[in-house]
Amino acid sequence: AQSVSQHNHHVILSEAASLELGCNYSYGGTVNLFWYVQYPGQHLQLLLKYFSGDPLVKGIKGFEAEFIKSKFSFNLRKPSVQWSDTAEYFCAVKEGSQGNLIFGKGTKLSVKP
Amino acid sequence: DTGVSQNPRHKITKRGQNVTFRCDPISEHNRLYWYRQTLGQGPEFLTYFQNEAQLEKSRLLSDRFSAERPKGSFSTLEIQRTEQGDSAMYLCASSPTTGGRGYEQYFGPGTRLTVT
Repeated sequence: AQSVSQHNHHVILSEAASLELGCNYSYGGTVNLFWYVQYPGQHLQLLLKYFSGDPLVKGIKGFEAEFIKSKFSFNLRKPSVQWSDTAEYFCAVKEGSQGNLIFGKGTKLSVKP
Repeated sequence: DTGVSQNPRHKITKRGQNVTFRCDPISEHNRLYWYRQTLGQGPEFLTYFQNEAQLEKSRLLSDRFSAERPKGSFSTLEIQRTEQGDSAMYLCASSPTTGGRGYEQYFGPGTRLTVT
């Protein structure tokens, strides 16, 4: 079965530290890739997406992600985190012509002020 | 847009009862999706519609689950004879299929179901 793996369950950082959250997927064909964020008490929001073209994509709030096809990876990065980035982050994959997203289990990020 | 809305936000029911949830998508979106999320997991796909047609159902969607989108607008998800294992957050999402934001899914706040 197709799957999405997020390597870190819980990441704790201090403000201004750099962030990288790992995401790997198992599907070998055409994929669309997404990162969603869920702030405490809020619903899932799209952070950024990759459909085609430049493998380095920029999203909202200073986040970016790089698609590396050979590694089946789509890691999320931010050079300097803020306390307000405390949230749960989900990587998701849409495979080929299928409509649904396959999500990873999520990574909880806690940023200490 | 006003976003995806879901009702009710919380539902507590006794085992064996039937429950129905409603989702109102973003008005111009022709695709509507249902997911289920349990603690410590990411959302798991249940089913999706394009307009009024149900295009795909997950194996997670047992015979006790049924979803409809009769006029291609709002959708309902019904669970019959609820079991404790049905306790979860039920998420609805919608997406357009054309334009620059094609296939971006926008999520609602979810309905939290607790089966006692």
